[in-house]
Amino acid sequence: EAGVAQSPRYKIIEKRQSVAFWCNPISGHATLYWYQQILGQGPKLLIQFQNNGVVDDSQLPKDRFSAERLKGVDSTLKIQPAKLEDSAVYLCASSSRLAGSYEQYFGPGTRLTVT
Amino acid sequence: GQSLEQPSEVTAVEGAIVQINCTYQTSGFYGLSWYQQHDGGAPTFLSYNGLDGLEETGRFSSFLSRSDSYGYLLLQELQMKDSASYFCAVRDQEAGANNLFFGTGTRLTVIP
Repeated sequence: EAGVAQSPRYKIIEKRQSVAFWCNPISGHATLYWYQQILGQGPKLLIQFQNNGVVDDSQLPKDRFSAERLKGVDSTLKIQPAKLEDSAVYLCASSSRLAGSYEQYFGPGTRLTVT
Repeated sequence: GQSLEQPSEVTAVEGAIVQINCTYQTSGFYGLSWYQQHDGGAPTFLSYNGLDGLEETGRFSSFLSRSDSYGYLLLQELQMKDSASYFCAVRDQEAGANNLFFGTGTRLTVIP
């Protein structure tokens, strides 16, 4: 089965610019997660979708970050405007209803550098 | 709030056994997951403990003691390819039963 797809793999932008990341989860996985991983730290959850509805966005900086999952399949995460501290790897993950959240499948991530 | 503690770095010899400990403080604990992440790669799921005891998957085993708020990942017959970062992550009431809260990770270096 195909894994979680993400694009782009790398992105370099200047502060105050906007950027968008795309994720396509494993087919049939109802739950989709976006994480931010700063170098040397563990992944930090930004937002969780169940189908096309938001389950948890308590850690999402809503003044600059937004995410959507139209039609309950692929998802986009946007940052506008970007700050220097947003430099990180943005990981998308998905899980099936059967396996539960403890077993998540991660994509390769998008490495964002804000200059 | 939640807190997870695991050693930042561990070094072990190829062929040996290494144990990576994880202690946690949370409310409404559900279970503990372990993930492996190679440099530049994606985290990959290794194991989950929802109940006390040992779970074995090939060369990897994971243990949980809910009464001690403690778990560990045991890697046997270490191989060079096991050099990676290992994260413990909790499912708990604060994270939400459908979410994971990750620790800061343990960087394992396997030497010849």
